Amino acid sequence: KNQVEQSPQSLIILEGKNCTLQCNYTVSPFSNLRWYKQDTGRGPVSLTIMTFSENTKSNGRYTATLDADTKQSSLHITASQLSDSASYICVVSAPNSGNYQLIWGAGTKLIIKP
Amino acid sequence: DGGITQSPKYLFRKEGQNVTLSCEQNLNHDAMYWYRQDPGQGLRLIYYSQIVNDFQKGDIAEGYSVSREKKESFPLTVTSAQKNPTAFYLCASGLGGSSYNEQFFGPGTRLTVL
Repeated sequence: KNQVEQSPQSLIILEGKNCTLQCNYTVSPFSNLRWYKQDTGRGPVSLTIMTFSENTKSNGRYTATLDADTKQSSLHITASQLSDSASYICVVSAPNSGNYQLIWGAGTKLIIKP
Repeated sequence: DGGITQSPKYLFRKEGQNVTLSCEQNLNHDAMYWYRQDPGQGLRLIYYSQIVNDFQKGDIAEGYSVSREKKESFPLTVTSAQKNPTAFYLCASGLGGSSYNEQFFGPGTRLTVL
């Protein structure tokens, strides 16, 4: 069964510290993997997208990595800011009968404390 | 929220009533999507439309209905047949055609059944 598991479920860190969020998936075959940021009560916003041939992608202080062999991805946040408090969602895309299917993780809730 | 609006932001419904959630986009996107988000779970696809006057069921279409009479609009009706409708509903739009094309989300509607 295609699944996306994220860890930890929640994380609290102090402002200015770094953190790493994990995403493990069992999706096969695999097209691409995207990380979204979702502020509370808002819609998700895309941070990065990687295909199977890419192993790292950066967007400012956000760096995503992908290991397609072990089916793992991580999102590293550098020098965290209060505005980074949000849920971070990993989404994996798989081809499906000439179209595609998105498998969404449940997200990691990140809280940045001053 | 990138040109996608959802209304209302909060909606209360009595059991047995149908209710319609609005979604409008001015991004000239062909594809539009409706998702449901519940605590601790990944987003689940309700319906999607890749072109005007055409739409397909997603993973949890039972108890919901949609229409796509205009490119800009994709309203979702939550019917009385939906057994557990209290949730956060997200509308998205995108170029479609490929999972590499990003989906852009609206701000969401929180529906509560009293």
